[in-house]
Amino acid sequence: RKEVEQDPGPFNVPEGATVAFNCTYSNSASQSFFWYRQDCRKEPKLLMSVYSSGNEDGRFTAQLNRASQYISLLIRDSKLSDSATYLCVVNLLLTTDSWGKFQFGAGTQVVVTP
Amino acid sequence: NAGVTQTPKFQVLKTGQSMTLQCAQDMNHNSMYWYRQDPGMGLRLIYYSASEGTTDKGEVPNGYNVSRLNKREFSLRLESAAPSQTSVYFCASSEALRLAGQETQYFGPGTRLLVL
Repeated sequence: RKEVEQDPGPFNVPEGATVAFNCTYSNSASQSFFWYRQDCRKEPKLLMSVYSSGNEDGRFTAQLNRASQYISLLIRDSKLSDSATYLCVVNLLLTTDSWGKFQFGAGTQVVVTP
Repeated sequence: NAGVTQTPKFQVLKTGQSMTLQCAQDMNHNSMYWYRQDPGMGLRLIYYSASEGTTDKGEVPNGYNVSRLNKREFSLRLESAAPSQTSVYFCASSEALRLAGQETQYFGPGTRLLVL
């Protein structure tokens, strides 16, 4: 089983609609969580960190559910420019003296259509 | 600031050839990483360097070596390329590793490698 799993999609979303998708992680000791965005043939870029209480950044809302071990991303009022692959990233701090290991999901593709 | 830069952008190798992928960052970050990205697999960590002078294996280190030349530069070497190493390689950096907090990684533009 992969340590971080995502629905690969694609999620086809009409412009202006809302789309949401989840990412599950297997290690309950995971410490911090991120959503990255990756455009076709480009490098990943940080979209937003995910905080325990949930957080918003404009049209984007991220949630963390530690009990069920998943994080979610919701995009409201989708724009054509939101078309991308969204990578879930989990940082596992192995011990207090070692560094965290970033685990990447394979990504969820979102396609926003006119 | 250029951020994280990588060279070359593209490379075609024959099986058995060697090459070095270069990476540099100008953000004064302590930690640097090399990943490979294959379709449907997500990014997988090859090697990382927590700080200048240290390097450690990641998830898929076989067939690779690294050098943390100084704080800015972290190179990845393929001594004898194999078709299984055809991939997109990303270098990344982050400020610090020891905190359980919200360090983020900054990625270079990637190197597309084809091994024939």
